[in-house]
Amino acid sequence: QVKVVESGGGVVQPGRSLRLSCVVSGSRFSEHGMHWVRQAPGKGLQWVAVISYDGYYKTYGDPVKGRFTISRDDSENAVYLQMDNLRGDDSAVYYCATSILGATKDNWGQGTLVTVSA
Amino acid sequence: QSALTQPASVSGSPGQSITLYCTGTSSDVGAYDLVSWYQQVPGKAPRLLTYEGSKRPSGVSNRFSASKSGDTASLTISDLQAEDEAYYHCSSYAGENSWVFGGGTKVTVL
Repeated sequence: QVKVVESGGGVVQPGRSLRLSCVVSGSRFSEHGMHWVRQAPGKGLQWVAVISYDGYYKTYGDPVKGRFTISRDDSENAVYLQMDNLRGDDSAVYYCATSILGATKDNWGQGTLVTVSA
Repeated sequence: QSALTQPASVSGSPGQSITLYCTGTSSDVGAYDLVSWYQQVPGKAPRLLTYEGSKRPSGVSNRFSASKSGDTASLTISDLQAEDEAYYHCSSYAGENSWVFGGGTKVTVL
């Protein structure tokens, strides 16, 4: 059974940085891609970023391009989201999800809350 | 990367079938057979229901079925049950290794 656990959320001031972590167990981590998806309070899901199984391809949603960086460490079965120059509209629950079955997001963590506020 | 369009809410009675719609464009839903549907109970993480068109992961009830016509994808929930009350989100591949979600539909079981 695949388990996904996010961490690193918290309250941060606008313009500051935060790094989220996501650890996966129960999968062949180095063989599949990983996504970050966020959900602002009372809103729908918004795709944030994806990293390919080998770390070669990294793609970002328009709202975070140039500010967020996704990376992975296969030795730790972990994926990270470095978030710089944070803004108020980045406040959301951030979910990490595996992409094992194919072009989808199949196993999700419980999320970590990021609040950007002065 | 414009969001897909989903109705805000749909309701039905137990035992009925309901269909949720997700409208995109010829650049996402219409271009690829790579739509996924997710169920989300408030306060919980999303759960994958269908993917790559009409595939279901292991453990998902066959009461959930997905299809697509042109730029619109749909999810049909058959034999509606009280436990189906939740939010349902669609997502599509949008090319160039990017994805897009809809705004979500709240399903109410009357």
